[in-house]
Amino acid sequence: AQSVTQLGSHVSVSEGALVLLRCNYSSSVPPYLFWYVQYPNQGLQLLLKYTTGATLVKGINGFEAEFKKSETSFHLTKPSAHMSDAAEYFCAVMDNYGQNFVFGPGTRLSVLP
Amino acid sequence: KAGVTQTPRYLIKTRGQQVTLSCSPISGHRSVSWYQQTPGQGLQFLFEYFSETQRNKGNFPGRFSGRQFSNSRSEMNVSTLELGDSALYLCASSLEVRGNTGELFFGEGSRLTVL
Repeated sequence: AQSVTQLGSHVSVSEGALVLLRCNYSSSVPPYLFWYVQYPNQGLQLLLKYTTGATLVKGINGFEAEFKKSETSFHLTKPSAHMSDAAEYFCAVMDNYGQNFVFGPGTRLSVLP
Repeated sequence: KAGVTQTPRYLIKTRGQQVTLSCSPISGHRSVSWYQQTPGQGLQFLFEYFSETQRNKGNFPGRFSGRQFSNSRSEMNVSTLELGDSALYLCASSLEVRGNTGELFFGEGSRLTVL
C-alpha cells in the first residue's frame, strides 16, 4: 500500500526566507507525485506534479520540487517566502496504474513578518 | 471554463438527520471523487465515480453513499448523521479515471456541521 509522510505538521518561516516542506512516500511502483495547496475555506489547488521526465519540477507561485527516487522524497521548496504563501500544503502520491491516490497529512505553513 | 461547483457551501444539521451534497464537475470531466477533511483525520477518500459507476471506495460506513448521473454530476448522501460527521466534504473531478495524468481539480467544499 502506498503512503505519504510529511515531516512537520506546522512550519513557520520569516518573510523572505527559504521554504522547505518535506514529503516522503512509499510506493511499490514508480509513482506520480503531487503537491497541492489549500487556502482557508477553499478547496485544494494543484501546485505542481511529477509524472515522468525531469526530476526537478516547477510549479505555480515560484514553488518547485525535486523527485529523488533513492530517497523516496519529493520535497517542496521556494527560495523566498511571501505572506500570501501561508496555507496548508498536501503532498500526494498516485501509482501509475491510477488505482490509488493517497494524500499526506498536510503541513501548515505560517509566514512571519 | 467553470471549475468544480459544490453546493451547498455551508449547512447545519442535527444528529440523526440525513444530508445530500452536490458536485458539478468541470465540463468534460467524467471522474468525480469525494473526500472528507477533518482536523484530526486529514483528507480521507470516500469514493470515486466514473461514467455513473463507483470505481473505488474508501473505508467509510454504509451511511455514506453516492451516485453519479449521466451528465457526470455527482451527489453524496450521509444518513443518520453523527457528531463525528462534521467536516469539510470536498469533491474533485478529473478528465478520466485517475490513471492518466492524475490531476484532481477540487471544488471549494461543503462544510457540514452536525449538532
